[in-house]
Amino acid sequence: GIQVEQSPPDLILQEGANSTLRCNFSDSVNNLQWFHQNPWGQLINLFYIPSGTKQNGRLSATTVATERYSLLYISSSQTTDSGVYFCAVHLQGAQKLVFGQGTRLTINP
Amino acid sequence: NAGVTQTPKFRILKIGQSMTLQCTQDMNHNYMYWYRQDPGMGLKLIYYSVGAGITDKGEVPNGYNVSRSTTEDFPLRLELAAPSQTSVYFCASSFGRLSSYNEQFFGPGTRLTVL
Repeated sequence: GIQVEQSPPDLILQEGANSTLRCNFSDSVNNLQWFHQNPWGQLINLFYIPSGTKQNGRLSATTVATERYSLLYISSSQTTDSGVYFCAVHLQGAQKLVFGQGTRLTINP
Repeated sequence: NAGVTQTPKFRILKIGQSMTLQCTQDMNHNYMYWYRQDPGMGLKLIYYSVGAGITDKGEVPNGYNVSRSTTEDFPLRLELAAPSQTSVYFCASSFGRLSSYNEQFFGPGTRLTVL
């Protein structure tokens, strides 16, 4: 089946720093979503981005479907950005999202 | 809209007990899903439903049952709880088939421990 790999697995930054999280996938996908799982365990939809670039405030994401990767950018990090960031992909014809193992981001004050 | 809601938030079960995890969505979504998340891992699909009366297995269905009698509700049943079912369970929904036009929305999760 499709492999979804996220890097780095862990990232520790100071408040105000910028970061780039990467998601590689091993097959063509129909859809890709980025989620933030906050310290209370809730999954929050960040981006729905099968291709192209989207921006939402300090966050932006780019998916290059032909090269099978997506990037999540976080600028001017805040402590509330801490948590685990997951990318999840959807294969055409399947009715499930396949999740990567996540990047754990810790923002220190 | 409340979105996707799940009850209970936390539960501890003894081995062999049974329970039902409740999931409700008020977005008039046709598709609903149950995932489990083991520590340090991403989510894996247990069951999904494409509409009332229709359910299908996901990657890890063993030990679970589901039903879908209404559009809004999609309960997940554990009949004989085992320690391997200790996990966080997430319910999700989408308006239609997952595609380049439909995204999934997740509930807050139920943390289940089986001792």
